[in-house]
Amino acid sequence: SAVISQKPSRDICQRGTSLTIQCQVDSQVTMMFWYRQQPGQSLTLIATANQGSEATYESGFVIDKFPISRPNLTFSTLTVSNMSPEDSSIYLCSVSVMGVGYEQYFGPGTRLTVT
Amino acid sequence: TQLLEQSPQFLSIQEGENLTVYCNSSSVFSSLQWYRQEPGEGPVLLVTVVTGGEVKKLKRLTFQFGDARKDSSLHITAAQPGDTGLYLCAGALTPQGAQKLVFGQGTRLTINP
Repeated sequence: SAVISQKPSRDICQRGTSLTIQCQVDSQVTMMFWYRQQPGQSLTLIATANQGSEATYESGFVIDKFPISRPNLTFSTLTVSNMSPEDSSIYLCSVSVMGVGYEQYFGPGTRLTVT
Repeated sequence: TQLLEQSPQFLSIQEGENLTVYCNSSSVFSSLQWYRQEPGEGPVLLVTVVTGGEVKKLKRLTFQFGDARKDSSLHITAAQPGDTGLYLCAGALTPQGAQKLVFGQGTRLTINP
């Protein structure tokens, strides 16, 4: 398993500004993932972040809007840029660990409200 | 089109009742995972199934992976208020791409005392 922390846990931001979310894991992992989740709904994958390479974005998500850094095997950041109220959501990071097959472990999430 | 269809999306039952949540697809998965998520927290992994026909038990929860590895179910016996939460199934399409998961829509379960 893996223990993941995220900062901040929540934030209220103004339209047009940017927020950087940090994700720290307690062990070295190859792949980290960033998801968006509307309260009470399922998860939507934003991008996959491998250390030492560019993040891979899913359809509908672009690097200019959601730049990701992965400087080492235990840390990643997701920036939500030029925010609008539609970006209000919960943002989750996860890591993939080999267990019974590959298993993902999630951080507690960052609840973002854009006003 | 949702790759993993999860049903029901909402379920509210009385304490002590039994329930089953289903996760279906036309695709074959190399593995399938079930998560439970409570408000304000990230999803917590409950179980991973990898073999067709596999059955795993976790106290009052029974998980089954279909023989063809296209579907899965979660059965809860004698539900308790502590079982309340959002249940998510997630599948890996290939062993090579196993680290990237496809999620179902989720089942919001409420157990009333």
